[in-house]
Amino acid sequence: SAVISQKPSRDICQRGTSLTIQCQVDSQVTMMFWYRQQPGQSLTLIATANQGSEATYESGFVIDKFPISRPNLTFSTLTVSNMSPEDSSIYLCSVEDPQGRRGTQYFGPGTRLLVL
Amino acid sequence: DAKTTQPTSMDCAEGRAANLPCNHSTISGNEYVYWYRQIHSQGPQYIIHGLKNNETNEMASLIITEDRKSSTLILPHATLRDTAVYYCIVRVEYTGYDKVIFGPGTSLSVIP
Repeated sequence: SAVISQKPSRDICQRGTSLTIQCQVDSQVTMMFWYRQQPGQSLTLIATANQGSEATYESGFVIDKFPISRPNLTFSTLTVSNMSPEDSSIYLCSVEDPQGRRGTQYFGPGTRLLVL
Repeated sequence: DAKTTQPTSMDCAEGRAANLPCNHSTISGNEYVYWYRQIHSQGPQYIIHGLKNNETNEMASLIITEDRKSSTLILPHATLRDTAVYYCIVRVEYTGYDKVIFGPGTSLSVIP
């Protein structure tokens, strides 16, 4: 398994500002994933981050709005840029199983974002 | 991508078995079925997965029909801590990695 931490755990931000969310995992992993969970909804995949290459974004998500960094095998950041109230969500990072069991992911506790 | 359908919600009495169904009629022969759950205010948690044989681990059992068009997750003795949203997912395979795409899931309430 993998233990994942996220910072901050929650934040309240003003519209028009940006917030960077950090995701740290306790073991080296190839693939990291970022999800959004809007209030009362299921999770939606934002992008997949492979160390050393550009993130791959899902339909409806763009790099200008959600830039992602993946500087090494244990860390990633997601920035929510130029925020609006519609960005109020829980943002979760996850990692593929460090032992390589494809399809098995471990999730962080999430970052609860409220945009005013 | 194979899609799944699950009941929106279910109740189960504490101590009884919880049987959560999932339909995946368009699943292809090499696609795995995965189950995750999300307890309120936490990130999702992997439970179990299978291809065509029944599987059991310390958390649950997974029963997959012979035609693989449906499956059932079984929590043998449900406790109040099993109250959560349960997601049935068919693994989407890409080159070098897999995506986990969540549907709406089943909200399971375990009742005292």
